[in-house]
Order: sequence, then structure tokens, then C-alpha cells
Amino acid sequence: QSALTQPASVSGSPGQSITISCTGTSSDVGGYNYVSWYQQHPGKAPKLMIYEVSNRPSGVSNRFSGSKSGNTASLTISGLQAEDEADYYCSSYTSSSTLEVFGGGTKLTVL
Amino acid sequence: EVQLVQSGAEVKKPGESLKISCKGSGYSFTSYWIGWVRQMPGKGLEWMGIIYPGDSDTRYSPSFQGQVTISADKSISTAYLQWSSLKASDTAMYYCARFAGLTTPRDYWGQGTLVTVSS
Repeated sequence: QSALTQPASVSGSPGQSITISCTGTSSDVGGYNYVSWYQQHPGKAPKLMIYEVSNRPSGVSNRFSGSKSGNTASLTISGLQAEDEADYYCSSYTSSSTLEVFGGGTKLTVL
Repeated sequence: EVQLVQSGAEVKKPGESLKISCKGSGYSFTSYWIGWVRQMPGKGLEWMGIIYPGDSDTRYSPSFQGQVTISADKSISTAYLQWSSLKASDTAMYYCARFAGLTTPRDYWGQGTLVTVSS
């Protein structure tokens, strides 16, 4: 069982927006602004998409955005495109451990 | 250009030992942590442990403490993950990733090393 809870799957049609949630506790997501989101295509390494809740690394499309409310962080992808179909993982700093904790991952299907 | 290049796929038998590597380039290897992540077939990501090559400070997830050893050779900018006695359940993809501090994003990742353990 992962420390952070994500929905197993979400789906949307091209052009639509979707949101993936990531629920933790006050010891991780709720207590710190150190939430990251990673995209992973099949057979590929994870790619950093969002860091510190809402910051995008250079080169990441502005269709990707992040936010947080209480113990839940969210990743929103607007203007869905076929290439967005992938697994998405959240992660957070936690006071309970030296290492970050991951969510269980969410499979995004673009219909 | 920052790169983390991992060693190639391995096929091993249960009980054998193994050491896989992650070579960093394009940045100051001793100024960034390197972490190792396991991804079992069809499953999610799990942090195994991290090392700071500058002073070899090493920390393990409780789930992996005593099961693997993480090390680094800063003279050749390479981090390692090793097993002394592999089990079938070690079959997985293993990734390395770098980060500047314990709260900073894991911004660059290696391409992954597939380890298959089968009799």
C-alpha cells in the first residue's frame, strides 16, 4: 500500500481537461510544499512534470499545472493530447522518512 | 548536458550476486544526491535508498535496509546498487535519479536497468 493515494485510472477525450488527485496526510502533502508529479510512458523512465506543488521545469508544456488544498495535491492537464496518455505518479517529502513517498500511480487514457 | 547512464540489462539466477551502475555526467557528481527506485513488473515506483557521493552519506528505506547496498565511486562519477544474493522477487526495473537536496525535485533520471532473476 502506497503512502499517497491516487486514483488507479482517469480518462478524457482530446482537448478536454482532466485532474488527478494525490491524497496524503499532514506529515507529507499537507505539511510541506514539496509535491512533485512524474509522467511515465511505457518502457520509459519517469519524467519530472511539476515540482514544489505548482512549478514546471523548463520544457514542460503549460498545459500541465499543479495545485494543493489541505492534504490533497492535484495535477491538471488541459487540452488533452494523445501523447499525454501515460502513467502519472505524485511524490512528496515526508517528515516520517528521509526518503520521499510516492503515490500508487494513475493511468491516464486519452479516448 | 546532464546525463545519468545506467548499466545494461541483467539475467541472473537466484542466489547470485549483482552490482548495477549509474554514471553521472554534465554536472558536479559530488554535489547531488543519487537515489535508486524499484519498479516491479506492472507496479508503481518505490524508493530504495539514496547516497550523497560527496561524503558517502547513505540512507535506506526500511523495506530495503539489509537487502541491498548502495555505494558510489566519486572518482568515476558512478553510483552502484548491489545485491549479495538475488531472489526471484528482485526481478524489476531499477532507476537512478539525481537531486540537489532532500526536498528538491528528482530532475534527471537514468534510462533504467532491467534485472531478471530466474532459475
